[in-house]
Amino acid sequence: EDKVVQSPLSLVVHEGDTVTLNCSYEVTNFRSLLWYKQEKKAPTFLFMLTSSGIEKKSGRLSSILDKKELSSILNITATQTGDSAIYLCAEEVGDKIIFGKGTRLHILP
Amino acid sequence: DTAVSQTPKYLVTQMGNDKSIKCEQNLGHDTMYWYKQDSKKFLKIMFSYNNKELIINETVPNRFSPKSPDKAHLNLHINSLELGDSAVYFCASSLFKGYVKLFFGSGTQLSVL
Repeated sequence: EDKVVQSPLSLVVHEGDTVTLNCSYEVTNFRSLLWYKQEKKAPTFLFMLTSSGIEKKSGRLSSILDKKELSSILNITATQTGDSAIYLCAEEVGDKIIFGKGTRLHILP
Repeated sequence: DTAVSQTPKYLVTQMGNDKSIKCEQNLGHDTMYWYKQDSKKFLKIMFSYNNKELIINETVPNRFSPKSPDKAHLNLHINSLELGDSAVYFCASSLFKGYVKLFFGSGTQLSVL
């Protein structure tokens, strides 16, 4: 069974829209939750979130973890075509980083 | 200067062959990884090495053998390739074991015919 579940699996919006991507995780041996962006090739690191619940922000992207709900959201405001990518949520469990299946986001011009 | 470089970028081969993928990082990181991403884009950990020592070995067939001659290199050798091995293989590195910011290579697209 999947430890990290992302939704939706895919999303198509228009440029300028705001999107919210969801991720749920398991609590056993949880250390942190991570977001990565994968464009054509290699995933690149976006955020690390812990149970502290502190929101992380970088430009138009922001993310927060809800430890009661065992979930995290990634918000992207004023989307641009360059935001089109697969967004991967991952959980740090012990020494391992376990990825979800990703949300494929497509931004229409 | 590419931080994590993998070769080759593409590999097309017949079933039953043996092939290797090489990975090098010039970041001075201690820990390196191999991940497999299947056609559904599911990224799964295969192996992890810390300072040349194997620390993670997921349930991967014995046909897959990683080798780390030094901490800057982690190669992956695959024996007797099968159709199901077709995927993109990503090498990654991190500063030390437990550091979650991974730097990925650009991937090797393996197609087994």
